[in-house]
Formats: sequence, C-alpha cells, structure tokens
Amino acid sequence: SQQGEEDPQALSIQEGENATMNCSYKTSINNLQWYRQNSGRGLVHLILIRSNEREKHSGRLRVTLDTSKKSSSLLITASRAADTASYFCAPVGSSNTGKLIFGQGTTLQVKP
Amino acid sequence: DAGVIQSPRHEVTEMGQEVTLRCKPISGHDYLFWYRQTMMRGLELLIYFNNNVPIDDSGMPEDRFSAKMPNASFSTLKIQPSEPRDSAVYFCASSGLAGSEQFFGPGTRLTVL
Repeated sequence: SQQGEEDPQALSIQEGENATMNCSYKTSINNLQWYRQNSGRGLVHLILIRSNEREKHSGRLRVTLDTSKKSSSLLITASRAADTASYFCAPVGSSNTGKLIFGQGTTLQVKP
Repeated sequence: DAGVIQSPRHEVTEMGQEVTLRCKPISGHDYLFWYRQTMMRGLELLIYFNNNVPIDDSGMPEDRFSAKMPNASFSTLKIQPSEPRDSAVYFCASSGLAGSEQFFGPGTRLTVL
C-alpha cells in the first residue's frame, strides 16, 4: 500500500518563522495530498499536488514535489500560533484506488 | 452542505456491549471511509466504500467489527462485543472521486470501560 512518512516527527518554532516538513514515499503516485489536524478534530485537506506538478501554492502554504526522489515538502511561511497542529501527507498511488494511507504525521508547535 | 456528520460525538460503554457509530457523507460523494485513530497506532483506515459497496475491508481488526452502507447517505460501523482496546477516535470521511480530497467528520470518541 502507498504510505507517506513524514519528517520530522515534531517541530517547534516561534511565531513568524517558517516551518518545513517533509514526506517520503515508495512507489509511483497519481497525486500527493497534505492534511492538517488540530487537536481533537478531524483532518482538514490543505493542498493536492499532481504527479506532473513540481510546486503549488495556497496562501502561506507552498508544496513541492520531486517524483525522482519520491519526496514532497510542505512549507508554511510566517507561521502563527493557530498553525499549531499535526500535518500528514497522503500519497495516492498511480492505480488510484481511492484509498489514502496516512503516516504518523509531523506535530508542529508554534510558540507565540 | 453541512459536511460529514457523525454521531454520537462521544460514547462511553462497558466491555461486552454493542456499539454503533453513524456517518452521513457529503451529498453526491461516491466514496466513504472509516478510520480509527489512537496514540499508539496513529490513523488507520478500517474500510472504505464506493457507491455503497465495500471495496477494501483489510483494515478491519477482527470479526467483532462490521460496517454497512445501506444507501448513499448513511453508513454504520458496529463493534460487537466491544473491548477496552477498541477505545479510540473513529472518523468517517467522504470524497467525490477516487484519489481526490477527503472530507472528514468531527469523529466519535469511543471509550470502552
């Protein structure tokens, strides 16, 4: 099955700093998705990047994809305390069965 | 749209009791997913449906767990009998297309005493 592995497991930064988290996967993909989970809540979809895209932006989020290295990164610029959450990547395999397998995520803490 | 709706939000039960969790997906979504989240095991996919048909139930832990989707607007996850190790947050999610973004419900926090 297609599962992403996020790195680092935990990240602590000051408000205003940038946060970068990485995702690695093992097989070819159709797309890769990033989700956020605030404590006690369900996951919220942030961004989807297709296999033929290299970079995508959404507000303060920037996602890159390197299919040759089978890796993706999520950059949050000018972080805010409200960005404190867990972040998960979910690669969608090229067979695109509809199934997402989530890893352990990166826990981000943004200190005010 | 109200998003994915789950009920109950919290459930406390005693070991051996039957537990039924409910989910209403977003209207028009063809895919429905059930996940379980614990600190130890993270977020696990239990089962998912496409057009009300179970496609992959390989994540269902054992025969005590069963899921149904009698129509496009309703699904249940049943645990019978429940055990303390079933304590977790159970999420339902839906999506419109294969591999597209999933919309998660608020979850049901289950505690089995």
